[in-house]
Amino acid sequence: NAGVTQTPKFRVLKTGQSMTLLCAQDMNHEYMYWYRQDPGMGLRLIHYSVGEGTTAKGEVPDGYNVSRLKKQNFLLGLESAAPSQTSVYFCASSNPRYEQYFGPGTRLTVT
Amino acid sequence: AQSVTQLGSHVSVSEGALVLLRCNYSSSVPPYLFWYVQYPNQGLQLLLKYTSAATLVKGINGFEAEFKKSETSFHLTKPSAHMSDAAEYFCAASGGSNYKLTFGKGTLLTVNP
Repeated sequence: NAGVTQTPKFRVLKTGQSMTLLCAQDMNHEYMYWYRQDPGMGLRLIHYSVGEGTTAKGEVPDGYNVSRLKKQNFLLGLESAAPSQTSVYFCASSNPRYEQYFGPGTRLTVT
Repeated sequence: AQSVTQLGSHVSVSEGALVLLRCNYSSSVPPYLFWYVQYPNQGLQLLLKYTSAATLVKGINGFEAEFKKSETSFHLTKPSAHMSDAAEYFCAASGGSNYKLTFGKGTLLTVNP
């Protein structure tokens, strides 16, 4: 039981490049989330999903897209990376009315 | 809209001293409340949660928190700090039907020998 895993752990992008972050969970959770963490800002919700095939915008969705084609996976895409997207990205999953479980994070630098 | 305020971005205590990390929430509905801990270069780990049962909640590593509706507070305490408690602590609240979490900005706890 690996919990929540994230791929990759680190990535450096040039401005304008694209990439996809993968989140996988093996706990059969219904809900999945993507957050970004910046110093002094806490965690801010980017997008979330309440079930396979569904996605919704969070607090800071601009510049990101997501997909949840399979219940266990939640993908976060950056179509044209910008330096402002330099951050640590966390994925989480949960069932309704229960706590969220977090992955180890992906550290992204955009130059 | 829900908001979570953590008073003090940095708290420093001596080993063996009381730890008190403050959290206040604003919510139009009774919230679920959580404290998470983040050690350097790691993800967030749940310390404890309040889900409308007992108002005094005990968590892992000797931490506890008390839900006070009249003060809209959910402060985290530990009677005696240990060096291994040094980390960043986040208070979070959820409410409504979609169970999204709203996080505070975090409090960095330093434990001095």
